[in-house]
Amino acid sequence: DGGITQSPKYLFRKEGQNVTLSCEQNLNHDAMYWYRQDPGQGLRLIYYSQIVNDFQKGDIAEGYSVSREKKESFPLTVTSAQKNPTAFYLCASSITGEETQYFGPGTRLLVL
Amino acid sequence: GQQVMQIPQYQHVQEGEDFTTYCNSSTTLSNIQWYKQRPGGHPVFLIQLVKSGEVKKQKRLTFQFGEAKKNSSLHITATQTTDVGTYFCVNNQGGKLIFGQGTELSVKP
Repeated sequence: DGGITQSPKYLFRKEGQNVTLSCEQNLNHDAMYWYRQDPGQGLRLIYYSQIVNDFQKGDIAEGYSVSREKKESFPLTVTSAQKNPTAFYLCASSITGEETQYFGPGTRLLVL
Repeated sequence: GQQVMQIPQYQHVQEGEDFTTYCNSSTTLSNIQWYKQRPGGHPVFLIQLVKSGEVKKQKRLTFQFGEAKKNSSLHITATQTTDVGTYFCVNNQGGKLIFGQGTELSVKP
């Protein structure tokens, strides 16, 4: 099956700890994105990557980091600098130049 | 930055009633997309509008893009329980999606 997978579904973080969220796609899409969703709100862009080995900050990049070493993978690290990390994190991908983004199932991050 | 405002935030309807959500921008938009997110799920692309005054239909769903390309609406005729979820209008700015706040629709059987 083609699609986007995110793992884990739920993730718990202790204070001061870095955690990494996985996002993998086998759609052969060039572009990948990370969004954050807080309860009752729309999605906000954290980072995006239009091509391998290149990525740009979105609107709320502080406290997060990413890498794009492979076309299929775009992991997101939530660092200890992110003071309010509890949220629903969604990864998406699209064919560069196309307008439709396809979303993964998401990861819910909770701080203990 | 450019913002997209969406109303209402919540809408509760009886099954069979109609539903409409509205999206507005202070500036002209190159496009409007609509996504649906089921409770606990992820956003799913519904449609994109790019032309002034454009109207598109998908079964019981009707999407409109205003003549000035500053507003859009989604209308659902005769709602069903399967329509439950949050509907987002979205402006795609070269791959960067700008989301409205969403309208959460609940349908009472």
